[in-house]
Amino acid sequence: DTEVTQTPKHLVMGMTNKKSLKCEQHMGHRAMYWYKQKAKKPPELMFVYSYEKLSINESVPSRFSPECPNSSLLNLHLHALQPEDSALYLCASSPLGGEGQPQHFGDGTRLSIL
Amino acid sequence: GQNIDQPTEMTATEGAIVQINCTYQTSGFNGLFWYQQHAGEAPTFLSYNVLDGLEEKGRFSSFLSRSKGYSYLLLKELQMKDSASYLCAANNDYKLSFGAGTTVTVRA
Repeated sequence: DTEVTQTPKHLVMGMTNKKSLKCEQHMGHRAMYWYKQKAKKPPELMFVYSYEKLSINESVPSRFSPECPNSSLLNLHLHALQPEDSALYLCASSPLGGEGQPQHFGDGTRLSIL
Repeated sequence: GQNIDQPTEMTATEGAIVQINCTYQTSGFNGLFWYQQHAGEAPTFLSYNVLDGLEEKGRFSSFLSRSKGYSYLLLKELQMKDSASYLCAANNDYKLSFGAGTTVTVRA
């Protein structure tokens, strides 16, 4: 079990659907992240939120829309996805300030686009 | 840009030692992390180096040479449960850039 909770664990959706991935942490971390991981590949950073504000967007297509409603929650809204977007989506969090602060990952949402 | 290299696969026997090397070239650098990831699971934090030298944590140790852009993860007294992917990640202002991962297989 991890201290970063992601729901749902699995999601199958069509290309015209709208769905949301959710992430929650109660460690008091003020930085939260979304990563995409394809099979046998490393995680790729998508977005970084610090103090609930978007600080990094790694040129992610607009069909992915992040939201940080408060310091404990991070959402990823999905709309009009493509089959190549099928992947494991990982949320992570870390403290802000100082070096050596590891990111703690959730178990991920395995997304399949039909 | 970021360029992080590590071997694709390594195999070792239970009880043995394995060393996973990682070389990096990054535009900014705040330190190097090692993560373990079992198939279908989240990456879990193993170690962090920001200064040159060796950090030891039980059976796992990690080394960093900033001048050489080089790190290694040393796994001692290998156990079957250590079979996993090991990810080297360079940190730059809260951005982690991961290597492709090294799949370690531990044989009985």
